[in-house]
Amino acid sequence: AQRVTQPEKLLSVFKGAPVELKCNYSYSGSPELFWYVQYSRQRLQLLLRHISRESIKGFTADLNKGETSFHLKKPFAQEEDSAMYYCALTQGGSEKLVFGKGTKLTVNP
Amino acid sequence: GAVVSQHPSWVICKSGTSVKIECRSLDFQATTMFWYRQFPKQSLMLMATSNEGSKATYEQGVEKDKFLINHASLTLSTLTVTSAHPEDSSFYICSASQGRGYNEQFFGPGTRLTVL
Repeated sequence: AQRVTQPEKLLSVFKGAPVELKCNYSYSGSPELFWYVQYSRQRLQLLLRHISRESIKGFTADLNKGETSFHLKKPFAQEEDSAMYYCALTQGGSEKLVFGKGTKLTVNP
Repeated sequence: GAVVSQHPSWVICKSGTSVKIECRSLDFQATTMFWYRQFPKQSLMLMATSNEGSKATYEQGVEKDKFLINHASLTLSTLTVTSAHPEDSSFYICSASQGRGYNEQFFGPGTRLTVL
């Protein structure tokens, strides 16, 4: 069965420091990977998806099929990046999202 | 654009009663809607997938007679928790998709259900 693992429940960095939120997946096919973000008291929203290969709010994520990873990175964290981040995947052709357990990022001033 | 609303945002009910939660896509037609459940400090777990005009597909372990889903139109899906019990207390979130080819889900704000 497909699974998404986010090993860190909590991650705390200082403003201006680089940040990396880890995500590993297990799926034998070709998944589509996503990062969703949930700011305090707001709904879940899509941050980025691997097929877009774009940078959103300074965040990037590269799909590494060899390591089955899709880590989210930002070179200089900002306080407004503090939020809950969920890695998720869909299995080929399906719209069903499988979520990781999430990482709560706190960026300290 | 792509806004999904849920109503109510929170509800408290007595054990044994039924509660209906509405999920609406406000500015687009949602061929597919999804219902998730989120326990405190845990991830979202997909409960069921509903397509307009057809029966919902439930995930393994989700009681379809307990959680009734209706997707009567392209902008509305409802989740009814029947004969609710305290263990049904949770945060219920819906999402909506425009269908295959778009592959992006837009999430509602969630409904907090507390069963006394």
